[in-house]
Amino acid sequence: DGGITQSPKYLFRKEGQNVTLSCEQNLNHDAMYWYRQDPGQGLRLIYYSQIVNDFQKGDIAEGYSVSREKKESFPLTVTSAQKNPTAFYLCASSTGRQPQHFGDGTRLSIL
Amino acid sequence: GIQVEQSPPDLILQEGANSTLRCNFSDSVNNLQWFHQNPWGQLINLFYIPSGTKQNGRLSATTVATERYSLLYISSSQTTDSGVYFCAVDGGATNKLIFGTGTLLAVQP
Repeated sequence: DGGITQSPKYLFRKEGQNVTLSCEQNLNHDAMYWYRQDPGQGLRLIYYSQIVNDFQKGDIAEGYSVSREKKESFPLTVTSAQKNPTAFYLCASSTGRQPQHFGDGTRLSIL
Repeated sequence: GIQVEQSPPDLILQEGANSTLRCNFSDSVNNLQWFHQNPWGQLINLFYIPSGTKQNGRLSATTVATERYSLLYISSSQTTDSGVYFCAVDGGATNKLIFGTGTLLAVQP
């Protein structure tokens, strides 16, 4: 089945540690996105990529980094510079002006 | 940037009741999507509706782009309709979505 796969579903981070969240899609979509959701809030855009080897900052990029070496993959690294990383992270993809489709998310917590 | 406001923030219904959720946005948009987030956090596409009216079973949506609002109608609600409903819009050229804060719906048996 075509879709977006995020892993892991749950992730724990120690203070000062970088962690990487995986997002893979087999929909052949050109664009991919990372959003952050805090409890009781809507989603906010962290980074997006419209094409391989290119990406742009969203509204809350500080403390995060991404890469887009392959069309299918858009990993997000939460660095130690992100002081409040506990949140639900959602990855999405789309093509053209078509609607975005989302993965099932990764819940990140601080130990 | 574009502001997105949803109302009401919370809604409690008895099973079988109908409801209308509203999304107001502050500027013209190229894309408007309605999502349902279930209790497990999964975000499900309901409608892609930058303008006009669409129906899918018990759900329908209408966007009046000239007046900058969209409505989501839920008829004969079921307990499985519970969750958070988000409206998200994009007004630029890159399909970046701006989300409202959602409407939390609880359908009681």
